[in-house]
Amino acid sequence: EPEVTQTPSHQVTQMGQEVILRCVPISNHLYFYWYRQILGQKVEFLVSFYNNEISEKSEIFDDQFSVERPDGSNFTLKIRSTKLEDSAMYFCASGFKSLNTEAFFGQGTRLTVV
Amino acid sequence: EDKVVQSPLSLVVHEGDTVTLNCSYEVTNFRSLLWYKQEKKAPTFLFMLTSSGIEKKSGRLSSILDKKELFSILNITATQTGDSAVYLCAVEGGNKLVFGAGTILRVKS
Repeated sequence: EPEVTQTPSHQVTQMGQEVILRCVPISNHLYFYWYRQILGQKVEFLVSFYNNEISEKSEIFDDQFSVERPDGSNFTLKIRSTKLEDSAMYFCASGFKSLNTEAFFGQGTRLTVV
Repeated sequence: EDKVVQSPLSLVVHEGDTVTLNCSYEVTNFRSLLWYKQEKKAPTFLFMLTSSGIEKKSGRLSSILDKKELFSILNITATQTGDSAVYLCAVEGGNKLVFGAGTILRVKS
């Protein structure tokens, strides 16, 4: 069964460093998303991406964050100058035609900023 | 501001019990409501609801949506210990999902 793959599963980084979280969406999907979940809190939307551009982003997704689809298969989330409060589980999701079908989530990357 | 509220926050039941989980929402540009089960990591999809009054069913789980009252319920009958998880309600509005805080369900044997 096709699945969304995220790497790494866990990343520890020092405050102020840049991290890149990687996702390989399901191959025929066109819509890509990043969500995050701070421990014990809600899953929060960060950004949606379609046709090589951001289609919507939340207030959380400020200049510290960027997304890229560097080739035909990967979808990355870059966090510059990480802060302690960026520690969270980051989920990538993909869909075939917007989210009006089930969204497929990856297993997540746990980011710990120390 | 878009909002999804789930109740109860947590629930402890015995195997064999029936549970009802609630989700109310205020989301602009509503497109669908989804239920997910989250055990350790990623949410796994359960149901997507777009129309009022039509029950979706999968085994012991069922769900229904009321678009007039902006409400959905998820029922689990004959609960098993494997049903223990966080159940998430999410509403699709625009190009994003707005999640509720979840209901923590614990099923005791």
